[in-house]
Amino acid sequence: EAGVAQSPRYKIIEKRQSVAFWCNPISGHATLYWYQQILGQGPKLLIQFQNNGVVDDSQLPKDRFSAERLKGVDSTLKIQPAKLEDSAVYLCASSLNEKLFFGSGTQLSVL
Amino acid sequence: ELKVEQNPLFLSMQEGKNYTIYCNYSTTSDRLYWYRQDPGKSLESLFVLLSNGAVKQEGRLMASLDTKARLSTLHITAAVHDLSATYFCAVVNNDYKLSFGAGTTVTVRA
Repeated sequence: EAGVAQSPRYKIIEKRQSVAFWCNPISGHATLYWYQQILGQGPKLLIQFQNNGVVDDSQLPKDRFSAERLKGVDSTLKIQPAKLEDSAVYLCASSLNEKLFFGSGTQLSVL
Repeated sequence: ELKVEQNPLFLSMQEGKNYTIYCNYSTTSDRLYWYRQDPGKSLESLFVLLSNGAVKQEGRLMASLDTKARLSTLHITAAVHDLSATYFCAVVNNDYKLSFGAGTTVTVRA
């Protein structure tokens, strides 16, 4: 069974630039999550989709972050413009029933 | 807001000895997860605990859940070097939102 695919694996940008991350969940998984994991901390939920609808985006900084899930499958997370404090690993996860599967993440460094 | 607290945050283990990691959470939940994360890697699911009194074991790891005390434990038996990693617990609230603890970084020494 293929896992959750994310790209790119690493990204280095300067502050005020824009960046986008892509996630392809496990086939058939209706629920998709984006998490932000800052070094030394636990993952923090940014946004949760059920099919192509948003279930929870209460912790998404909407002035600079946006996410979409077209056709209820792939998802993209965008940051525009990036700040230094956005340096983190961005993890995508998908679930069917109670088990979550995480992708390998995108490590973002904002200089 | 659901708060999840783990302790200890850092744990230095001696090979062959037994240790326990604790996970407390602040509001009612009927689902708790344990994950393992190696440096630079993603999260690997270890256990899903779905009911009060649930106990699951895999190799040297055993997890349990007490929903009344809002407490889960991850017990490590006879620690070995390849158990060195960071362990996270995560709890689902009534809105199906998964909240993570800060993690417990485990180092196993000879």
